[in-house]
Amino acid sequence: EVQLVESGGGLVQPGESLRLSCAASGFIFRNYWMSWVRQAPGKGLEWVANIKEDGSEKYYVDSVKGRFTISRDNAKNSLYLQMDSLRVEDTAVYYCATEAARALRSWGQGSLVTVSS
Amino acid sequence: DIVMTQSPDSLAVSLGERATINCKSSQSILYRSNSQNYLAWYQQKPGQPPKLLIYWASARESGVPDRFSGSGSGTDFTLTIRSLQAEDVAVYYCQQYYSTPPYTFGQGTKLELK
Repeated sequence: EVQLVESGGGLVQPGESLRLSCAASGFIFRNYWMSWVRQAPGKGLEWVANIKEDGSEKYYVDSVKGRFTISRDNAKNSLYLQMDSLRVEDTAVYYCATEAARALRSWGQGSLVTVSS
Repeated sequence: DIVMTQSPDSLAVSLGERATINCKSSQSILYRSNSQNYLAWYQQKPGQPPKLLIYWASARESGVPDRFSGSGSGTDFTLTIRSLQAEDVAVYYCQQYYSTPPYTFGQGTKLELK
């Protein structure tokens, strides 16, 4: 059974940093593109970033370019999102998800990031 | 970036009736080399992560009841729920994954019971 477990969320002040992790199990992690998707409280879904199986390609939504960095460690079956220079508008639940035929097939339960002074 | 627009924003349907949700993309998401439309549909219930229902616009994900179907091509797509069940109450999102990212979502359609 595919399992994705996010961790690392919390309350931070504007301008601070946070690193999210996503622990994967139940599938061959190194064979899949992975994505981060976020959802602000009471709002819709926003795709944030994705990374190729070997980490050689990474893409970001414009609003996080230069501030967020997606990475992965295939030896540890883990996905990461380093978030720097956080803004109030980055407040959201962050989900990691597997890509299959580019659609987002399996999702974690999410990790809440709150940016507030 | 490709903009996805769903209609309606909310919908109330009686049990056993048909629910139809529309999704329109700002440009064609039909990849002519493989004749695939790069569109997915997701269902999200309160307090849960989204669940993939449909990919390639009309391919049903494994385990999804056959009352859910997707149709359309190019820029106009539809999710149809035949014979609505109580457990189908949720927010539904379309998403395009055409070409290079960003992969954009529609704003969501809230489906309720009438």
